[in-house]
Amino acid sequence: GAVVSQHPSWVICKSGTSVKIECRSLDFQATTMFWYRQFPKQSLMLMATSNEGSKATYEQGVEKDKFLINHASLTLSTLTVTSAHPEDSSFYICSATGERTEAFFGQGTRLTVV
Amino acid sequence: GQNIDQPTEMTATEGAIVQINCTYQTSGFNGLFWYQQHAGEAPTFLSYNVLDGLEEKGRFSSFLSRSKGYSYLLLKELQMKDSASYLCAVSGGYNKLIFGAGTRLAVHP
Repeated sequence: GAVVSQHPSWVICKSGTSVKIECRSLDFQATTMFWYRQFPKQSLMLMATSNEGSKATYEQGVEKDKFLINHASLTLSTLTVTSAHPEDSSFYICSATGERTEAFFGQGTRLTVV
Repeated sequence: GQNIDQPTEMTATEGAIVQINCTYQTSGFNGLFWYQQHAGEAPTFLSYNVLDGLEEKGRFSSFLSRSKGYSYLLLKELQMKDSASYLCAVSGGYNKLIFGAGTRLAVHP
């Protein structure tokens, strides 16, 4: 299957700082990338959908000024959590789709805000 | 609205067969996916159904009935390593995947 690389795998940051998470499709062109967050023992909640070269579409209840998404190329999307707070601590996962219908997931990033 | 329901937890015995059901009501339908997720890891793709019927892939099979808004994942010859969460997800418009809450499967000897 296709490979999606997400970096970093885990990060600890201080409250009030910003954290950037990268999602790269290594062997295919990702026309669409999705960002999810997952709390312990809960399912994935879609945060936003990003298409290369256009603004991201955010799901209801997700603050677009807090979770900045950039999809500058067909192989890279970034999620920046701005002014992070402890309640933003979560598992963030990206997925990417290209020509094939199935979505391929990155490894996930565990964010801990202290 | 959009709703995807699956049981929260299931237990089964090694070597047995288990069926995990999923019912859905979504706006738009481009297919239904099943993913496996081990704790602390990203989901991995198991199956995709877009037409009614059964898709078999080794020990795993997935069934879809679009008219009933129903799918199931069938796991045969269960192994201990199959203990994981199984996520049902529906692809709606723009290939967005909407996930159910997941079913935690515990396989015991």
